[in-house]
Amino acid sequence: GAVVSQHPSWVICKSGTSVKIECRSLDFQATTMFWYRQFPKQSLMLMATSNEGSKATYEQGVEKDKFLINHASLTLSTLTVTSAHPEDSSFYICSARDSSRGSGNTIYFGEGSWLTVV
Amino acid sequence: DQQVKQNSPSLSVQEGRISILNCDYTNSMFDYFLWYKKYPAEGPTFLISISSIKDKNEDGRFTVFLNKSAKHLSLHIVPSQPGDSAVYFCAASGSGTYKYIFGTGTRLKVLA
Repeated sequence: GAVVSQHPSWVICKSGTSVKIECRSLDFQATTMFWYRQFPKQSLMLMATSNEGSKATYEQGVEKDKFLINHASLTLSTLTVTSAHPEDSSFYICSARDSSRGSGNTIYFGEGSWLTVV
Repeated sequence: DQQVKQNSPSLSVQEGRISILNCDYTNSMFDYFLWYKKYPAEGPTFLISISSIKDKNEDGRFTVFLNKSAKHLSLHIVPSQPGDSAVYFCAASGSGTYKYIFGTGTRLKVLA
C-alpha cells in the first residue's frame, strides 16, 4: 500500500539552531500534504497545509516564520523549525493525500518525527 | 474550542468482546470522518472512514456508525483482540478541504 516516510525519526538539536524534517510520499504523488504536531497526551494539532508549488496555508496561531514549509515536488514536503527553542520539542507528523484516480483521496500518515531541543 | 471530542480518555475491554469508541463533533459542515489507530511514537494508521451520505461503514472487524442529527460517530471493534490495544483518534473534515480536525483520542486496552 501507499507509504509516507518521514526523516529523521528522532532529532536532538541545540536551542537557537534550525532543524529540517522531510515528508515523502513513496509510491504516489501528493499535491497536498499536512503537518501536525502532538504534545504528550494531546491530540494531533494541524499546523499547516502544504501545497505543491505554492505557499503553505498556516493554521491560526502557527508562526509562519518559525515553521517554514516547502513543497517543491509532488513527493516531498519539508518542515523547517527555525531558531528552535525547548518549547518546540514535540512529535511532528505529516500526512499526504493520494489524489490519484481510484484512491478515494485517502490520507496517509508518516511515522512521525520526535524533536527535542536542548 | 474543541470541534471534535472524544470524551472517554481510556477504555478497557476483555478479549473477544466488543469495543465501542465514541466521538462527538460540533461543526455541522463536517462531511467526512476517519478513525485512526496510533501506537506510541508512531504515526497514525488509517482504519476506516465514513462520509456523511452514509450512516454505517463496515470493514472486517471494524464498523463505524454515523448519527448526523446527534453529530456523533462511533467505532465498533468486534471481536476485540490484544493487538487492538492502542490510542484511537477520530478525525473530521468538511467541504472537500481534506483538513482533518482530530479528537483527543481514546486509549483502548484489550485484556487477554
